[in-house]
Amino acid sequence: GEDVEQSLFLSVREGDSSVINCTYTDSSSTYLYWYKQEPGAGLQLLTYIFSNMDMKQDQRLTVLLNKKDKHLSLRIADTQTGDSAIYFCAESSGSGTYKYIFGTGTRLKVLA
Amino acid sequence: DTEVTQTPKHLVMGMTNKKSLKCEQHMGHRAMYWYKQKAKKPPELMFVYSYEKLSINESVPSRFSPECPNSSLLNLHLHALQPEDSALYLCASSPGQGVDDEQFFGPGTRLTVL
Repeated sequence: GEDVEQSLFLSVREGDSSVINCTYTDSSSTYLYWYKQEPGAGLQLLTYIFSNMDMKQDQRLTVLLNKKDKHLSLRIADTQTGDSAIYFCAESSGSGTYKYIFGTGTRLKVLA
Repeated sequence: DTEVTQTPKHLVMGMTNKKSLKCEQHMGHRAMYWYKQKAKKPPELMFVYSYEKLSINESVPSRFSPECPNSSLLNLHLHALQPEDSALYLCASSPGQGVDDEQFFGPGTRLTVL
């Protein structure tokens, strides 16, 4: 089956950059997404990248995609305490359905 | 209106109760989803409705019964739940124009089954 793996924890100092990594297995995925979940809340779509792109930048967020290695990363520049949350990557299933496969989630803690 | 709303925010129910979770969106989206999320885990897909028809049922037990009365509303009817069904239930919607639609999530209903 498909697995989407992420490291469980990341701790950074305020003002530093954060890099959250994700590896996926379904090479037929056409879109890959990053979601943010604050404690007790729903998931907020942060950004997404189309599989024929290598990079996408959106203000403080930079998404890098290495399709050969099936590796996706999210870089947050100038990380703030408000960025503390769980970050999930997700790939859309290539099976012709509306299914997302979510990663295991990375808990980002930003230290003041 | 660019959000997905869910009611109630919190629900506590006994194993013999019948209750319903509600989800609403007014973005004109034609696909709606129910997910279950346990603590510290990613969301797990339960059901997908596409153009008001059930298109995916991820082998969910029959004590969970979805309903899509119209394109803006999605309900999840609960009956005879078990304590292990306690979780955050998330609703999402997407435009429904292709298999790679962006999904927008509601805030969730935190369900506790006693």
